[in-house]
Amino acid sequence: QVQLQESGPGLVKPSEILSLTCTVSGGSINTYYWNWIRQPPGKGLEWIGYIFHSGSTNYNPSLKSRVTISLDASKNQFSLNLSSVTAADTAVYYCARDAYGAMGYWGQGTLVTVSS
Amino acid sequence: EIVLTQSPGTLSLSPGERATLSCRASQSVISSFVAWYQQKPGQSPSLLIYGASSRATGIPDRFSGSGSGTDFTLTISRLEPEDFAVYYCQQYGSSPYSFGQGTKLDIK
Repeated sequence: QVQLQESGPGLVKPSEILSLTCTVSGGSINTYYWNWIRQPPGKGLEWIGYIFHSGSTNYNPSLKSRVTISLDASKNQFSLNLSSVTAADTAVYYCARDAYGAMGYWGQGTLVTVSS
Repeated sequence: EIVLTQSPGTLSLSPGERATLSCRASQSVISSFVAWYQQKPGQSPSLLIYGASSRATGIPDRFSGSGSGTDFTLTISRLEPEDFAVYYCQQYGSSPYSFGQGTKLDIK
């Protein structure tokens, strides 16, 4: 059974870069689409983007200028970088793998707070 | 971008009752690429339905999805206590993928 686990700093200062990593176990990262989704406290879900195992990416236009998703197959990990963060980027960040095209497998999520 | 509007915002029902949740898209969703997720407090969302009407692995048959074009429905035939949660629809037919704002199903 594939499992995903997010890791990274829980606190980021305004204007800095938010960096998270998702470690995949129980399956290879060399297939499927690998997504990042976020959820501000008490609010709904927002898709950030995905990376395909080939390395091609697709980002939400609302974040595109600030987002980079990358993949490290040797470590079975993929990562999210979000630059120039503000308080509006405070959220629980989830990584997820597709199943049947939808988000079939999710990490437990990690709360990132943007504050000085 | 496709905007998904879920209704109602909150649905109060009793165990054993039938729940009907709606998801309306601002434009037609390609190939009925609509999914439904359940999220319980403090947990990640979990996939219930994909392709508008196919149940994900291990999902009980009291959960069913239907619809096409711009109108989609999640039905829970007989509510169990563990079904009270927030439900989100999502379209993955067009980029950017988008989610509805959620329907909270709570115990009456």
